Amino acid sequence: AQSVTQPDIHITVSEGASLELRCNYSYGATPYLFWYVQSPGQGLQLLLKYFSGDTLVQGIKGFEAEFKRSQSSFNLRKPSVHWSDAAEYFCAVFAGSARQLTFGSGTQLTVLP
Amino acid sequence: ETGVTQSPTHLIKTRGQQVTLRCSSQSGHNTVSWYQQALGQGPQFIFQYYREEENGRGNFPPRFSGLQFPNYSSELNVNALELDDSALYLCASKRDRGQNEQFFGPGTRLTVL
Repeated sequence: AQSVTQPDIHITVSEGASLELRCNYSYGATPYLFWYVQSPGQGLQLLLKYFSGDTLVQGIKGFEAEFKRSQSSFNLRKPSVHWSDAAEYFCAVFAGSARQLTFGSGTQLTVLP
Repeated sequence: ETGVTQSPTHLIKTRGQQVTLRCSSQSGHNTVSWYQQALGQGPQFIFQYYREEENGRGNFPPRFSGLQFPNYSSELNVNALELDDSALYLCASKRDRGQNEQFFGPGTRLTVL
């Protein structure tokens, strides 16, 4: 069965610092991978997705992610974090007969001024 | 283009009661999925509807049921509510049942006392 692991429950960075959020997946076929962001009390907003092609994908709000098949990873990066980036971030993989999303448990990002 | 909407925003019920949550899909989308997000966890797939038929289900008991209407809006019904059903319920819609991007609504926060 497919699964997604986000090893970091909580990350704290200073505003302007770089950011990397880790995501590892387990899936037997070619994965379709996503990163979503969730602000408190809100739904999920798609940051970026990987379906095929270039393994470095660009998303909204200055985020990017790199797909590494050999490491089963899809880490999210941002070169300079803004205070408004404080939120919870979820990695997900499309899988299953209904092509539903399987999510990781999330990483809570705190940004210090 | 109208996004995914959900109602109500918040709901408080007692154990043993029944609840119905509603979702209007984004214009042009014929597939709706429901997810349960418990506090501090990632969303978990409940089921998916495509053209008024259920075409995928996660690991949820039968007291979780759903409907999709001809206009592709959807309902999630939960019978015999338990305390553990307290969660944020997210609806997502997409164009067709394939591996397409899902767009999420803001969710309904259900509290079971």
